[in-house]
Amino acid sequence: DTAVSQTPKYLVTQMGNDKSIKCEQNLGHDTMYWYKQDSKKFLKIMFSYNNKELIINETVPNRFSPKSPDKAHLNLHINSLELGDSAVYFCASSRPGPHYEQYFGPGTRLTVT
Amino acid sequence: AQSVTQLDSHVSVSEGTPVLLRCNYSSSYSPSLFWYVQHPNKGLQLLLKYTSAATLVKGINGFEAEFKKSETSFHLTKPSAHMSDAAEYFCVVIGNNDMRFGAGTRLTVKP
Repeated sequence: DTAVSQTPKYLVTQMGNDKSIKCEQNLGHDTMYWYKQDSKKFLKIMFSYNNKELIINETVPNRFSPKSPDKAHLNLHINSLELGDSAVYFCASSRPGPHYEQYFGPGTRLTVT
Repeated sequence: AQSVTQLDSHVSVSEGTPVLLRCNYSSSYSPSLFWYVQHPNKGLQLLLKYTSAATLVKGINGFEAEFKKSETSFHLTKPSAHMSDAAEYFCVVIGNNDMRFGAGTRLTVKP
């Protein structure tokens, strides 16, 4: 069983479009995260979220928004896509708080043309 | 405020020789420190973590790291590299719920 899954694995779209990436975890974790990894492998945390609190990295444009329909899911919505949004996006989950091990999904490679 | 610096962007070793991936950190708190590994086209996987217990931490696949407060370092080592160790390695520092990733070190293992 896949602990943290993401769909789609690849996403190619044009500038200006709106897209979503889905993330599901079956570990019973309370906290989920979204990361962006650029072409140089640099990882940046975008959001962390539990059922009580959303923590946003202030450098993330408000075109990006996480939405959690329930504790096991944290989807990433991106409006008005730009070329610079091209990257690999990773979802992760953990027990409450960042001091616990995070379990990462396989990533979604987003290409904006 | 805190930060983490991985001193080498790329390390190349021969199979069977030791591995050393260097990580220095800066933190105003008593930090937790992690090493994650990312194999090509995969998500990150935890190798090991330090959370104020024993300073020498053993992880999976024969890796270990030593927390040295006086040197603000948390270097990752392995006695003998295997071809399957070729991957990207990330050092992470967490303090006061603030998490910082290093820029990553790419490990190449030559036959």
